[in-house]
Parts: sequence; C-alpha cells; structure tokens
Amino acid sequence: AQSVTQLGSHVSVSEGALVLLRCNYSSSVPPYLFWYVQYPNQGLQLLLKYTTGATLVKGINGFEAEFKKSETSFHLTKPSAHMSDAAEYFCAVIKGGSNYKLTFGKGTLLTVNP
Amino acid sequence: DTAVSQTPKYLVTQMGNDKSIKCEQNLGHDTMYWYKQDSKKFLKIMFSYNNKELIINETVPNRFSPKSPDKAHLNLHINSLELGDSAVYFCASSPTTGGHNSPLHFGNGTRLTVT
Repeated sequence: AQSVTQLGSHVSVSEGALVLLRCNYSSSVPPYLFWYVQYPNQGLQLLLKYTTGATLVKGINGFEAEFKKSETSFHLTKPSAHMSDAAEYFCAVIKGGSNYKLTFGKGTLLTVNP
Repeated sequence: DTAVSQTPKYLVTQMGNDKSIKCEQNLGHDTMYWYKQDSKKFLKIMFSYNNKELIINETVPNRFSPKSPDKAHLNLHINSLELGDSAVYFCASSPTTGGHNSPLHFGNGTRLTVT
C-alpha cells in the first residue's frame, strides 16, 4: 500500500533559520508527491508537487523539495523561516497512473520562534 | 468569491442525531471529495464524486451518505451520530480525476463535535 512517513511531528526553528521537514514514501512504482500546508482553522493549500522531470521542485512562499528516488525521500526546505510559515505541513502521495486518491502523512507542525 | 465553501463551520450535536454538512465549489471542477481529519490531524479520504457519480468510497460506516445533486455540490449526511464522529470534515474539489495534474482545492472545514 502507498504510504508516506513524516519524521518529526513537531519542528521548531528560529526566524531566519533553515526549515527542513522530512518525508519518506513507500512505493513500488514511481509516485506523484505533494506538500500541502494547513494554516490554523483553514483547509489545506498546495505548496508544490513532483510528477516527472526535474527532481528539484520549487513551490510557493519560497519552499522547495527534492525528489530522491534512491532515498525514497521528498524533503521540504526553505532557506530562511518567516513567522508566517508557522503551520501544519502534510506530505502526500498518489500512485503513478492511479485515480486521484491522495494518501497523506501524519503532518508536521512547524513553529517559528522570534 | 470563496472557491470551496462549506457550511456550517462549526457543528455541535448530541449522540444519535442526524446532521448534514454542505459543500459548494465555484471553480467549475468535475470532481469533489470529503476528507476526515481526526484529533491527531490525520487526514483520510472518505468519498469522491466525479460529475455526480461516486468514484471513491473508502471504508466508511453506512451512517455516512454523500449526495451530489450537481457537480458543483457535494453534501454529507450523517445518521445516528457517535462520539467517534467528532472531527474536522473537509470538502475538496479538483478539475478532473487525473491525479497528479489535478491538485485539490480544500474548503476551510467543518468542525463536528458530538457530545
């Protein structure tokens, strides 16, 4: 079964510091990978996605993620954290060629300290 | 000009009651979904409709019944509510069922509390 594992349910960084949120997937076929962000009391918003092609994907708000097949990883990074980045982040996967059925990780809460 | 709107935002009710949550999207999308987010923030798909037809039906109790009167609306009716139904329910839509090129657009959620 398709799944994603997010390492660390809570990550805390200082404003201006590097943000690194980890995601590993399990898949027997090339997956499609996504990162979503959820701000308090809101729905999820797509940050970025990997389908095919370039393995380094740039998203909104300065975030990017790199697909590493050899490590089955799709970690999310941002060079410099901003207070407004504080939110819950979800990694998600769908199996290549399947119907649209996202499987989400359990989420990582990012807090940014002044 | 909200893209995916759900009502109500909050719903508090007693065990055994029947309640409905409504969802509407004005994006012209063909596919709509219901997701459940539990107290630990875990998100799981419940149902998906494409042009009013059910295409995904996960293992959900029969007490949950989705209804899609047209492709812009997907309502969720819950019978005989139980304590374990307390969660945040998210409606979402996407242009097609094509997966990777059809990112989901989420509503802001309905927080259901069963007492």
